[in-house]
Amino acid sequence: QSALTQPASVSGSPGQSITISCTGTSSDISGHNYVSWYQQHPGKAPKLMIYEVSNRPSGVSNRFSGSKSGNTASLTISGLQAEDEADYYCSSYTGSSTLYVFGTGTKVTVL
Amino acid sequence: QVQLVESGGGVVQPGRSLRLSCAVSGFSFSSYSMHWVRQAPGKGLEWVSLISFHGGNIYYADSVKGRFTISRDNSKNTLFLQMNSLTAEDTAVYYCARDMTLGSWGIDLDYWGQGTLVTVSS
Repeated sequence: QSALTQPASVSGSPGQSITISCTGTSSDISGHNYVSWYQQHPGKAPKLMIYEVSNRPSGVSNRFSGSKSGNTASLTISGLQAEDEADYYCSSYTGSSTLYVFGTGTKVTVL
Repeated sequence: QVQLVESGGGVVQPGRSLRLSCAVSGFSFSSYSMHWVRQAPGKGLEWVSLISFHGGNIYYADSVKGRFTISRDNSKNTLFLQMNSLTAEDTAVYYCARDMTLGSWGIDLDYWGQGTLVTVSS
């Protein structure tokens, strides 16, 4: 089971909106709604930002939103802030012998 | 508050074994499924293994199947990962994480430990 495909980097200015894509196959992303997103700052553990495609855990800013279309899931960060600069990973159920897979990761830079 | 604390990492020679532990507190351990996720230095996240809340369902990534064994002791609020036949490709920070799906499991990991580094080198 290969990792889900994400762009290596995405950047934006403070206040702007950016979108990170996560592309899989018909056997993972498109087949169900078990897609989540994680934020990871350097040297820190990942933090859950979105679960089941579009749900935000308690305490996560509503500037973060998730969606899915076909084989591609997306994370949108609106009103970009300096603290959003981090690595972001998507993850999905695969239905294969390796039950879950993460994306390749995207480094978000706030200009 | 919820806490997950990994231990047991270190430097180990190729082909040897290591056992990681994850001590949890602040929630009802026996009600939540648990995962191990690893991250090689400078690389992305890789899902390793899942054990259901009752221990009856266990899953592994193909990359560790047959070499790693996940287990839990609900009486001691502790999660384990026994790693055998280690290779350089297993070098990574290993995180334990709680599955937020109460009474079931998914890939929604809402609490993570700080990670423990495993280095496989001769």
